[in-house]
Amino acid sequence: KAGVTQTPRYLIKTRGQQVTLSCSPISGHRSVSWYQQTPGQGLQFLFEYFSETQRNKGNFPGRFSGRQFSNSRSEMNVSTLELGDSALYLCASRIQRSQTYEQYFGPGTRLTVT
Amino acid sequence: AQTVTQSQPEMSVQEAETVTLSCTYDTSESDYYLFWYKQPPSRQMILVIRQEAYKQQNATENRFSVNFQKAAKSFSLKISDSQLGDAAMYFCAYRPIYQGQFYFGTGTSLTVIP
Repeated sequence: KAGVTQTPRYLIKTRGQQVTLSCSPISGHRSVSWYQQTPGQGLQFLFEYFSETQRNKGNFPGRFSGRQFSNSRSEMNVSTLELGDSALYLCASRIQRSQTYEQYFGPGTRLTVT
Repeated sequence: AQTVTQSQPEMSVQEAETVTLSCTYDTSESDYYLFWYKQPPSRQMILVIRQEAYKQQNATENRFSVNFQKAAKSFSLKISDSQLGDAAMYFCAYRPIYQGQFYFGTGTSLTVIP
């Protein structure tokens, strides 16, 4: 069974631009979560989607948004990019939200904002 | 507030020796899950071990075991017979049983010395 895939793997953007990252969960997994990983802050939770609905949201500004499609694939969008948005963005999927607790991570998208 | 603290940013261990990574957490919940994740240099995060808070017995997975002290809110990871492949960043994580959100510590970078 294929793992969690994220595209693109690397991205360079300029301040003020917007970016869209994509995540395809493991087949059959319906819950997708997004995390921002930086050296100083570690992993910080962005949001979780289940059945196309946002179920949880972390403490990030409204510039960070996401959505989930009917096939469970998810996208994350960051508008008006700032230098501080440079990070590794990780996506993780689970079969369901609360029944099982094992979460599988993708390889991440490395975003650099210049 | 639910926080996870890893007080050791870096650790090193001789190959074949034992090392313990520390983790403490803060929560008012009584039911939750605790995890240790490993992130090798390739960046794919993988689950090492998990512990259900309602279980008193410490979880064990081959060379990996935990020391779970619920009253002290402590969850340390012991790696026995350390191998070169154990070199990675290790993250402690917490999830309330009825939530989908995971809370991560800032990580401990483990170096294995041949």
